[in-house]
Amino acid sequence: ILNVEQSPQSLHVQEGDSTNFTCSFPSSNFYALHWYRWETAKSPEALFVMTLNGDEKKKGRISATLNTKEGYSYLYIKGSQPEDSATYLCAPLGGSISYDKVIFGPGTSLSVIP
Amino acid sequence: NAGVTQTPKFRVLKTGQSMTLLCAQDMNHEYMYWYRQDPGMGLRLIHYSVGEGTTAKGEVPDGYNVSRLKKQNFLLGLESAAPSQTSVYFCASTSLPGMNTEAFFGQGTRLTVV
Repeated sequence: ILNVEQSPQSLHVQEGDSTNFTCSFPSSNFYALHWYRWETAKSPEALFVMTLNGDEKKKGRISATLNTKEGYSYLYIKGSQPEDSATYLCAPLGGSISYDKVIFGPGTSLSVIP
Repeated sequence: NAGVTQTPKFRVLKTGQSMTLLCAQDMNHEYMYWYRQDPGMGLRLIHYSVGEGTTAKGEVPDGYNVSRLKKQNFLLGLESAAPSQTSVYFCASTSLPGMNTEAFFGQGTRLTVV
């Protein structure tokens, strides 16, 4: 079973600030990494699926990088807006058991203050 | 497009009662997952399926059973409901979790066990 950590657990930023958070995972037998955005009272929605070391993906003001050798991924939000308030979940696939399980980290809760 | 549909959306059960939650997807996805949402713990995987007729245990399988008799449907059963099973349950499906394919989530089922 992968040991997935996300930091920080929660974050409060002012509107317009840029921010970033981390997903850490064991680097051995890495297969893929998913990032999801989860707004309160809604369902999680996929942001990125990343598979290659050095991958960088971007969607609007949100971008992500992946380092499979050292076992981490960063999610960046440029110029945070109140609508970015959500919990951000990562799910690394791989490890010693299965490549089929999508198991999530505990998430980073972001609050953007207007 | 319907995507992933969960039935019911809300349910209140008495301790000891049984019930079945239905997840239906119309995207011809092989992989389907059941999660529960717990405060401070994000989404935890209960059971999952990698194809019709297959099921496997996730992180927190105790007290739940699942079946995947048809590719499009994944059923989650509670044999004898307990207050600890009060949660919001999410179903998700994907084609191949590691091949740049994201998971799509249902709208959630809020279950209260009294």
